[in-house]
Amino acid sequence: GQQVMQIPQYQHVQEGEDFTTYCNSSTTLSNIQWYKQRPGGHPVFLIQLVKSGEVKKQKRLTFQFGEAKKNSSLHITATQTTDVGTYFCAGRGNNDMRFGAGTRLTVKP
Amino acid sequence: DAGITQSPRHKVTETGTPVTLRCHQTENHRYMYWYRQDPGHGLRLIHYSYGVKDTDKGEVSDGYSVSRSKTEDFLLTLESATSSQTSVYFCAISEGGHYSNQPQHFGDGTRLSIL
Repeated sequence: GQQVMQIPQYQHVQEGEDFTTYCNSSTTLSNIQWYKQRPGGHPVFLIQLVKSGEVKKQKRLTFQFGEAKKNSSLHITATQTTDVGTYFCAGRGNNDMRFGAGTRLTVKP
Repeated sequence: DAGITQSPRHKVTETGTPVTLRCHQTENHRYMYWYRQDPGHGLRLIHYSYGVKDTDKGEVSDGYSVSRSKTEDFLLTLESATSSQTSVYFCAISEGGHYSNQPQHFGDGTRLSIL
């Protein structure tokens, strides 16, 4: 069945450093969504990518969808303590939408 | 945040007892979902609903049943709870279906511990 793998599982950075999380699928995806979950909170929708090679930006966050629509990445420039949380990708293949296991980001001030 | 209320927020129960979790929405969205979240697994879909009395199984449906008698309420039942069902349970809603491009909006979660 469809699998969505996300790496790394954990990332600890110094405030001001960059951060990237990667999402890879075993099958071609029709779209991919990114969510953020603050500690103790619930997942919150960030963005959706649909087109091959698509790049979208939200302030310091850059989201990319691979040309083959099998992978995606989220890059945060100059992390801040407010970026702390777990970032999930969720990809939809031929059937249902599957979430990656998430990357937990901690930021040291 | 979307109008989604999960109850209870926390529950501790014993193995073999029945447990029902409730999700209530005020957004009038057609689609509702139940997920469980476990370390290392992310969010896994248990069951979902695409309308009143219309439900279907997700990735990890064994040991769970659901019911939706009204648009606003989606119930998740563990008929005989087991320790492996200890988890955080999230309800989500969306305007579009599970196979659409619509984002999902999540409730605050229910932390369930089965001893």
